[in-house]
Amino acid sequence: AQSVSQHNHHVILSEAASLELGCNYSYGGTVNLFWYVQYPGQHLQLLLKYFSGDPLVKGIKGFEAEFIKSKFSFNLRKPSVQWSDTAEYFCAVLTGGGNKLTFGTGTQLKVEL
Amino acid sequence: ETGVTQSPTHLIKTRGQQVTLRCSSQSGHNTVSWYQQALGQGPQFIFQYYREEENGRGNFPPRFSGLQFPNYSSELNVNALELDDSALYLCASSLWGTSYEQYFGPGTRLTVT
Repeated sequence: AQSVSQHNHHVILSEAASLELGCNYSYGGTVNLFWYVQYPGQHLQLLLKYFSGDPLVKGIKGFEAEFIKSKFSFNLRKPSVQWSDTAEYFCAVLTGGGNKLTFGTGTQLKVEL
Repeated sequence: ETGVTQSPTHLIKTRGQQVTLRCSSQSGHNTVSWYQQALGQGPQFIFQYYREEENGRGNFPPRFSGLQFPNYSSELNVNALELDDSALYLCASSLWGTSYEQYFGPGTRLTVT
């Protein structure tokens, strides 16, 4: 069965620090990969997605992610975090014939002033 | 453009009871997916509905059932509630064939006592 692993469950950073959240997936076929974010009290929303082409994808709010096929990874990065980036981040892969999102367990990011 | 809405916001039920959760899809969307998000976990796919029929199901027992109506809104029904059913239930809507563009609602928080 397909699965998604997020290695960091809780991350605490100071403002302006760099961020990298790990994500690994287990699926041998063509994958569509996503990062979602859930800000406190808000809906789950899409940060960025990868389908094909350039393995470095850019999303909203300065986030980017790199797809490394050989490592089955899709890590999320941001050069300089802000207090407003405090949220829970979920990595996901689209499977099941293209209609099922399989999510990781999430990483709770807290950015301190 | 109207986003995905869900009702009720919160619900408390007793073990053994039945519950119905409701979802109105985003304007223009004809596909609805339901997810269960237990505390500290990522969302887990329950099932998807398109053209009023179930189209794909996750690892959930038959006591989890759903409906989709001609206006594309949807219901999630859970019979014989168990304590482990306590979770946030998320609805996501999309256009058929574009499950990579799922828009999530705010969720219904179900507590089973």
